[in-house]
Amino acid sequence: DTGVSQDPRHKITKRGQNVTFRCDPISEHNRLYWYRQTLGQGPEFLTYFQNEAQLEKSRLLSDRFSAERPKGSFSTLEIQRTEQGDSAMYLCASSSGPGGLSYEQYFGPGTRLTVT
Amino acid sequence: GDSVTQMEGPVTLSEEAFLTINCTYTATGYPSLFWYVQYPGEGLQLLLKATKADDKGSNKGFEATYRKETTSFHLEKGSVQVSDSAVYFCALNTGNQFYFGTGTSLTVIP
Repeated sequence: DTGVSQDPRHKITKRGQNVTFRCDPISEHNRLYWYRQTLGQGPEFLTYFQNEAQLEKSRLLSDRFSAERPKGSFSTLEIQRTEQGDSAMYLCASSSGPGGLSYEQYFGPGTRLTVT
Repeated sequence: GDSVTQMEGPVTLSEEAFLTINCTYTATGYPSLFWYVQYPGEGLQLLLKATKADDKGSNKGFEATYRKETTSFHLEKGSVQVSDSAVYFCALNTGNQFYFGTGTSLTVIP
């Protein structure tokens, strides 16, 4: 396994369009996280899955954002009606562990979204 | 709410200099604390972690001690190398969410 992968690496879209990003975690990891990172800031937590269950969502995740992990493997993050403020790097991470979140998270390279 | 405050950069040091990057936190409960590093053109990587008070995390010559009394987790290295040039992020976890600092950019010059 070569690590967490994300697709696409870059996405340019016009305001109002919908976009979908994909994350493939490390295969044996049951936990998957989405973050957003803007220039000069640290990653901001968006949501977290354990297997296929979405267990936590940040208040940053507006109604325009939805995430799924249908079979407990890959995950998708969709943004509807994109706005310029959505321009950011979207990071995915995965980890293993039966409980707690002190287990190491492995991050993907990110998807850079630009909304014009 | 829970948060991490990290020393602002950028930081520029000469090779073999001593490094300290300050990190303090605010949290309810008993967080786990982390330092992540992002090398140029690469993704975030865990550098070290500590899960309870007085634990010391260490890796690649870097160390950080979980100080509950001062709510701090400062990153230190005795002798930096050019290859340590990167952005360093302090982070905490108190449940199902992680909170990251804003990052400190370090440049080490020969």
